[in-house]
Amino acid sequence: AQSVTQPDIHITVSEGASLELRCNYSYGATPYLFWYVQSPGQGLQLLLKYFSGDTLVQGIKGFEAEFKRSQSSFNLRKPSVHWSDAAEYFCAVGSGNAGNMLTFGGGTRLMVKP
Amino acid sequence: GAVVSQHPSRVICKSGTSVKIECRSLDFQATTMFWYRQFPKQSLMLMATSNEGSKATYEQGVEKDKFLINHASLTLSTLTVTSAHPEDSSFYICSAIDSRGNEQYFGPGTRLTVT
Repeated sequence: AQSVTQPDIHITVSEGASLELRCNYSYGATPYLFWYVQSPGQGLQLLLKYFSGDTLVQGIKGFEAEFKRSQSSFNLRKPSVHWSDAAEYFCAVGSGNAGNMLTFGGGTRLMVKP
Repeated sequence: GAVVSQHPSRVICKSGTSVKIECRSLDFQATTMFWYRQFPKQSLMLMATSNEGSKATYEQGVEKDKFLINHASLTLSTLTVTSAHPEDSSFYICSAIDSRGNEQYFGPGTRLTVT
């Protein structure tokens, strides 16, 4: 069965600093990989996804993620964090039709210092 | 973008009663909807997959007689928590897949508190 690990429960960065959120997965085949952001009162929003092809994926809001098969990782990055990026971030691996059966990691709560 | 709504956003019910949560795709048809449960400060756990016009498929460990799912139309799925107990208190989130099956859209969630 697939699994996802997000080693960092909380991360605090200063506004304008760079960000990297870690994600490691376990999956028997080529994975469908996703990053979602959850803000209070709002549904999870898809930041980006990897299905195949270029291992560096660009997403919305200036985020990107890199798929590294050798490390079973799909880390999320942003060069300069904004205060509005404070939220909970979830990495997920998908299986089934178009990777829609999602297994989520435990989440990383990002706090942004002014 | 596609919008998924949930109603109610918050509900408090007494132990032993049943509560129904609605999940609607507002601007697209969803042949498949998913129901998740999220405990405080934890991740989302898939409870069941709901396909329009057929019985839901439940994940291992989820009691289908307790969590009744109905997907009667292409825009509406309901989750009924029957004979609720305090341990059922949680954040319930639904999602829906559009007809192309390319992306999963999430509702804002329903906070259930059982007293």
